[in-house]
Amino acid sequence: NAGVTQTPKFQVLKTGQSMTLQCAQDMNHEYMSWYRQDPGMGLRLIHYSVGAGITDQGEVPNGYNVSRSTTEDFPLRLLSAAPSQTSVYFCASTQGGLGGYTEAFFGQGTRLTVV
Amino acid sequence: DQQVKQNSPSLSVQEGRISILNCDYTNSMFDYFLWYKKYPAEGPTFLISISSIKDKNEDGRFTVFLNKSAKHLSLHIVPSQPGDSAVYFCAASARFWLDQGAQKLVFGQGTRLTINP
Repeated sequence: NAGVTQTPKFQVLKTGQSMTLQCAQDMNHEYMSWYRQDPGMGLRLIHYSVGAGITDQGEVPNGYNVSRSTTEDFPLRLLSAAPSQTSVYFCASTQGGLGGYTEAFFGQGTRLTVV
Repeated sequence: DQQVKQNSPSLSVQEGRISILNCDYTNSMFDYFLWYKKYPAEGPTFLISISSIKDKNEDGRFTVFLNKSAKHLSLHIVPSQPGDSAVYFCAASARFWLDQGAQKLVFGQGTRLTINP
């Protein structure tokens, strides 16, 4: 049982380049989300999804796109990278639904540097 | 506007003593609180949680206390061990989001705990 898998672990981009951060979970969780971690800021929610085909914006969505075509995968796209997007990105999945609170499982993170 | 605040960026504690990590929140809508632990180059892992209907939850060496009137929670680790050295994040969520199927988390800035031998 792999849990939440993120790829790549490290990436360096030039300003203006695009890329997709991959996230996959094998726990059949409905709710998935993307966070970015910056020094002194904690983790901030970028986008989230409550199920396949349904996505919504979090606290800091600008510059990022997401889609959820399957329950397992939730990729995060940077269309035109900017230095302000230099950060560590975490994908998380949670059982979700209306049954009550459950813990979130996080991937190992992707460290992105935009130069 | 930081809705969840951890005002101590770092804390150093002697092995075997008690570690107390603090967290404050401003949004009265929050009714579920969690602590996550993070080692370098790894994702956060769940540690312990508490619902607003309780004021204390215990799991082994870890206890979380919630003071709703003060909008304050704390994590106690007793006794502290070297393996507890990590960054600890406090997070909050709300029934309003859960009712929409979205278990959003609002995180504090984190506190780096160092346990000294």
